[in-house]
Amino acid sequence: DTEVTQTPKHLVMGMTNKKSLKCEQHMGHRAMYWYKQKAKKPPELMFVYSYEKLSINESVPSRFSPECPNSSLLNLHLHALQPEDSALYLCASSQEPGGLSSGNTIYFGEGSWLTVV
Amino acid sequence: SQQGEEDPQALSIQEGENATMNCSYKTSINNLQWYRQNSGRGLVHLILIRSNEREKHSGRLRVTLDTSKKSSSLLITASRAADTASYFCATDDRGSTLGRLYFGRGTQLTVWP
Repeated sequence: DTEVTQTPKHLVMGMTNKKSLKCEQHMGHRAMYWYKQKAKKPPELMFVYSYEKLSINESVPSRFSPECPNSSLLNLHLHALQPEDSALYLCASSQEPGGLSSGNTIYFGEGSWLTVV
Repeated sequence: SQQGEEDPQALSIQEGENATMNCSYKTSINNLQWYRQNSGRGLVHLILIRSNEREKHSGRLRVTLDTSKKSSSLLITASRAADTASYFCATDDRGSTLGRLYFGRGTQLTVWP
C-alpha cells in the first residue's frame, strides 16, 4: 500500500472562514510534507515534518498552520486566507526524513483543491 | 537555486511514437525522481534514479542520468493517449538532509490518438 490520502478533495472557503485540510498515510513513513501548486507550475514546498516535529517552514504566512497529531496524520489549518491562496495543496510522505536525499521515494496524495472566495 | 528545468516545456506526438523529455539541474545531487501528473491530480512517482546509476527502466519508461552534465532524460516508448500528462523531474540537494525536493518546471505531454 503506497497511498497518501487527502481530504477534502475540494474546498471552497471565504476569507473569514477557518478550515482544515487532512492527510493520512499508513505506510509507517516518518516524514510528511505539504506542498502548494498553482496552475501550470511545479509544486512548492511549504512544510516538512520529521518524526512528527516541524523541520522546515518555508517562510509560509501564519494563516497556514500545520499540525502533526501523530505519525500517520498531517493537518493544515487555514484561517483568514486570501484569494491568491487558491491552489492545489499536496501532501506527501517518505519512509525517512531526508526524503530523496536518503534514497527514499516521496509519495504524493491526490491533493486538495482550495478555492478562496 | 537548485530548481531544475525541463525541456521541452510542451510536447505533442501521435500514439505509438516515442516521447523524450529532458531535465537539467544546477547542484550536486544524491538522487533524481521523475513524476507524472494528470490534469488536476496528484503526482505519481515513476522512477527514482540514484547518482551512481546511469540508466533505469520500468516498463515503457527509460530514465538516464548524466551527473557530469547535470541532466536526466525520460523516454516513453510506444506512447498512448493515456500518457498525456505533465512530467516533472525532482532532485534533492547533496548538501542537505532536510528533505527538500527541487522540481523542474515540467513538460506537458499530449499524445493524440
